[in-house]
Amino acid sequence: GAVVSQHPSRVICKSGTSVKIECRSLDFQATTMFWYRQFPKQSLMLMATSNEGSKATYEQGVEKDKFLINHASLTLSTLTVTSAHPEDSSFYICSAKIDGGYTGELFFGEGSRLTVL
Amino acid sequence: KNQVEQSPQSLIILEGKNCTLQCNYTVSPFSNLRWYKQDTGRGPVSLTIMTFSENTKSNGRYTATLDADTKQSSLHITASQLSDSASYICVVRFTGGGNKLTFGTGTQLKVEL
Repeated sequence: GAVVSQHPSRVICKSGTSVKIECRSLDFQATTMFWYRQFPKQSLMLMATSNEGSKATYEQGVEKDKFLINHASLTLSTLTVTSAHPEDSSFYICSAKIDGGYTGELFFGEGSRLTVL
Repeated sequence: KNQVEQSPQSLIILEGKNCTLQCNYTVSPFSNLRWYKQDTGRGPVSLTIMTFSENTKSNGRYTATLDADTKQSSLHITASQLSDSASYICVVRFTGGGNKLTFGTGTQLKVEL
């Protein structure tokens, strides 16, 4: 099956710093990728839809200046948590849809656990 | 409001036993329903995808059923293994308003010896 890779898998940073998380589709092109946030024992919450070559679409309540998304190529989307605070600590997951593939199929990355001290 | 509710919230079973997880949804109009397995600290992995016209779909020891009339789905796991311990998430695609996905809160399954 299609593979989506996230990096880093774990990151610890100091409050006030910025952290970048990468999401790569390894063997397919993905014009559209999605970013989610997941708190312990809760479901995934969609944060934004990342579109290659255009601005991301953010869900209601998600600060676009806080969570910067860049989708500069058909295989890479990045999420940057700017001026991170302890409440930003969470598990961040991306998913990607295969260009030209069945629109229902999504492939998820392994997730990135962010801890802000 | 579109919602996906799963039950039970958590479940403990002995290795080798079968179990059934439930998913009720109020998403309308409905496009498809997926079941994912999420190991702790990992991303979800797809088990099955079902459209409204499909009643059952199997993937190895996993069998999903769908009743579009009652808006219910179930995931049956046969001959459970320790590696089945994970969170199982039901996800429904809503065809109106941008094809949004609605995630259930998941059932946490633990398989013990």
